[in-house]
Amino acid sequence: DQQVKQNSPSLSVQEGRISILNCDYTNSMFDYFLWYKKYPAEGPTFLISISSIKDKNEDGRFTVFLNKSAKHLSLHIVPSQPGDSAVYFCAASARAGGTSYGKLTFGQGTILTVHP
Amino acid sequence: EPEVTQTPSHQVTQMGQEVILRCVPISNHLYFYWYRQILGQKVEFLVSFYNNEISEKSEIFDDQFSVERPDGSNFTLKIRSTKLEDSAMYFCASSGWTVRTGELFFGEGSRLTVL
Repeated sequence: DQQVKQNSPSLSVQEGRISILNCDYTNSMFDYFLWYKKYPAEGPTFLISISSIKDKNEDGRFTVFLNKSAKHLSLHIVPSQPGDSAVYFCAASARAGGTSYGKLTFGQGTILTVHP
Repeated sequence: EPEVTQTPSHQVTQMGQEVILRCVPISNHLYFYWYRQILGQKVEFLVSFYNNEISEKSEIFDDQFSVERPDGSNFTLKIRSTKLEDSAMYFCASSGWTVRTGELFFGEGSRLTVL
């Protein structure tokens, strides 16, 4: 199942710089996209989401960009902090209402390491 | 801060044995989910549950799997006869109105090892 792909297994950045995590999808039925963060021994934690009718959504240091024509989304973290070091999962859903909102298709994850 | 709790954190079982994984979702949530992650693979959707019934299930969720909300607080996943390939981290998740933004609240997971 390669409907959601994160091609970079890992990313390393310096504290204070920008982190850019990328994600590609193939299913045209996806209309909502999300990023989750996961620390070791914890469950995934919701970070930010974007509807397919938008191309950008911002929440503090986190911005998600969506390019529907390219079926590509990215997460920008500015400035990056050591506490941001975690696994970041891209996810998508095809929303038909109700519980389908929570039926997520995840990417493989990207390990982000932010060095002090 | 309310959280989803899961027990046990780790269970080791023999192939063919029944396993029950338990979850206590956040109390005012209405939507409940089980996901799993086999080591080195993606997090995968198993089943969603709303209004005391399954609303969707994946191909993985075959007749060996069942879910139940027996007492209005617990949400359980039962695997009737475990197979080696059932070894994975199982995540319970719940959501309320934030389900519309895709925000699910995940538990810390239950690691199942089938020998």
